[in-house]
Amino acid sequence: DAGVIQSPRHEVTEMGQEVTLRCKPISGHNSLFWYRQTMMRGLELLIYFNNNVPIDDSGMPEDRFSAKMPNASFSTLKIQPSEPRDSAVYFCASSPTVLRSYNEQFFGPGTRLTVL
Amino acid sequence: AQSVTQLDSHVSVSEGTPVLLRCNYSSSYSPSLFWYVQHPNKGLQLLLKYTSAATLVKGINGFEAEFKKSETSFHLTKPSAHMSDAAEYFCVVSVSGNTPLVFGKGTRLSVIA
Repeated sequence: DAGVIQSPRHEVTEMGQEVTLRCKPISGHNSLFWYRQTMMRGLELLIYFNNNVPIDDSGMPEDRFSAKMPNASFSTLKIQPSEPRDSAVYFCASSPTVLRSYNEQFFGPGTRLTVL
Repeated sequence: AQSVTQLDSHVSVSEGTPVLLRCNYSSSYSPSLFWYVQHPNKGLQLLLKYTSAATLVKGINGFEAEFKKSETSFHLTKPSAHMSDAAEYFCVVSVSGNTPLVFGKGTRLSVIA
């Protein structure tokens, strides 16, 4: 298995531009999670999906952020318009089932976003 | 609600000496507990997990952790540190599959030659 795949690995953009981050979870996994990691705030959960349905988006910073999961094998996190304070590493993770607490999450390599 | 406290933000050890990374948790229910490791510029990798079976859990790369309910602790140990162990370590708690994992703030482990 290729693991969780994220693209791009690095993104440099200018303030005001739209940014789209992509994630392909491990095949067969029911849950998908988007995290943001910064030096100041550590690892933050932004949103998670169970069976393609958004369950909790309370971690999304503001309306500039949106996430979709149109099918079981693909998710996007979009920032529009982007701001310098959005610069961070964004991780996607997937997990095998919804109901069993001891299923760990499998993380992708992350997308390092720099907004100038 | 559940929470995790990693007691040290930074731990420095000499190569070949023991490693102890401390973690305390708070949970109203029987939790599942995990340790993840993050090497520089990499994603998070699972080291080990506790799921209400044996209280002493062995993980990859010689790490182990012991679940102590009376102390609400899940400390990570390794008998002998290696240079390649230098990384960020996260203690994580989960109560049910319908709620996300709760991450500690991380402990940065430095290994001195």
